[in-house]
Amino acid sequence: DVKVTQSSRYLVKRTGEKVFLECVQDMDHENMFWYRQDPGLGLRLIYFSYDVKMKEKGDIPEGYSVSREKKERFSLILESASTNQTSMYLCASSPLSSYNEQFFGPGTRLTVL
Amino acid sequence: ELKVEQNPLFLSMQEGKNYTIYCNYSTTSDRLYWYRQDPGKSLESLFVLLSNGAVKQEGRLMASLDTKARLSTLHITAAVHDLSATYFCAVFGGSQGNLIFGKGTKLSVKP
Repeated sequence: DVKVTQSSRYLVKRTGEKVFLECVQDMDHENMFWYRQDPGLGLRLIYFSYDVKMKEKGDIPEGYSVSREKKERFSLILESASTNQTSMYLCASSPLSSYNEQFFGPGTRLTVL
Repeated sequence: ELKVEQNPLFLSMQEGKNYTIYCNYSTTSDRLYWYRQDPGKSLESLFVLLSNGAVKQEGRLMASLDTKARLSTLHITAAVHDLSATYFCAVFGGSQGNLIFGKGTKLSVKP
């Protein structure tokens, strides 16, 4: 089975802090994604990566950055957390194939005070 | 720009009844995905539909894809409480080939 893990299930940070969210997948998938999920807005893509050291902006990249130094690990960074970044963050991975099915991690619920 | 619309967004059903969730999308795509999300949990893949006319069934759920109409349906037969969850459809083909998700349909099945 594909396994995508995220470093924390719940996280509470203060405004202005630098926040790291880690995601690891164990299926040698080329593609990795970071989404945020908010009530009434569904899932919105923040950033994604098709390969090590590659990154592409999604629909809402402002206030975020990412890092992919190893194939299995994709990190989301909030340089200076703000209250409007309080959300559920979901990581996903998918293989480079015609199916493009994405497999999701358990999510991190981030609260910024 | 690809847009994905689901309806209804909220659905309250009685056990034993049938219902259909609709997923419309705005531009051509031949790949569509259905996911289930339980409260506080992540998304679980249900179906992958890869061609026009594709139909997949798992238990009381059946999904179909009509690429010409740009429409997918998720049909629920004889609903049971365990099906209560939020269901998302997602279409391949955003501006960079990524998935675009609908807003989700929150299904509540009552005894």
